[in-house]
Amino acid sequence: SQTIHQWPATLVQPVGSPLSLECTVEGTSNPNLYWYRQAAGRGLQLLFYSVGIGQISSEVPQNLSASRPQDRQFILSSKKLLLSDSGFYLCAWRSGGAGTEAFFGQGTRLTVV
Amino acid sequence: GENVEQHPSTLSVQEGDSAVIKCTYSDSASNYFPWYKQELGKRPQLIIDIRSNVGEKKDQRIAVTLNKTAKHFSLHITETQPEDSAVYFCAASRDGGFKTIFGAGTRLFVKA
Repeated sequence: SQTIHQWPATLVQPVGSPLSLECTVEGTSNPNLYWYRQAAGRGLQLLFYSVGIGQISSEVPQNLSASRPQDRQFILSSKKLLLSDSGFYLCAWRSGGAGTEAFFGQGTRLTVV
Repeated sequence: GENVEQHPSTLSVQEGDSAVIKCTYSDSASNYFPWYKQELGKRPQLIIDIRSNVGEKKDQRIAVTLNKTAKHFSLHITETQPEDSAVYFCAASRDGGFKTIFGAGTRLFVKA
C-alpha cells in the first residue's frame, strides 16, 4: 500500500534562518506531489506542485521554494524565514491528475520566532 | 482564477441534529468535488466525493449534493455525533488538471 512520510512534525525556527521540510511517498511511482500551507484557522493554500522530477509549479510568489530531486521526494525550502511563514505545512500526493483523491502527510507545524 | 467559497466558517449543532455545509465554485470545467475532514492537529482525510455526472451521493450518515447549473455543492451530515467535530473542507478540481482548489473550511462543533 502507499504511504506518505513528512518530517519533522514540529519545528521552531528563528527569523532569518533556513528551512527544509521533506516529504517522501512509498508504494507508487510518478506521483503528483503538492505542498500546502494552512495558517491558523484558515484554509489550505496551494504553494507548489510537481508532476515529475525537476518539474515545479509555483502558485504563490514568496520566499519559499520547492524541489523534487527524486521521483518520490518533495522538499520545501527557504533561505530566510519570515514571521509570516509560520503555519501548518502539508505535503500531499495523487496517483493521477486532480480528479482523484489526495493523500496528505501528517503535516509540519512551523513556528517562526 | 479558480475559486471555491465555503459557508459557514463555523457551525455549532446539538448532538443528533443535522449539519449542512455549502460550497460554490467558479471554474465551470470542474468535475470532481471531494470533501475532507481534518481533526485537530491531524491531516485532512477524504470522507466523500462526487463527480459531475452524479447529482447526489450518500454514505451512511454523510451525503453530498451537486448542482452543476448553479455551481454549488453541499455536505449533509445527519444524526451528528461528538466525533463529527472537526474542520471540513470542500474542494473542486477537473480531470486533466493538476490543481485542487480548497474552500476555507468549516469548523463543526457537535455538542453532547
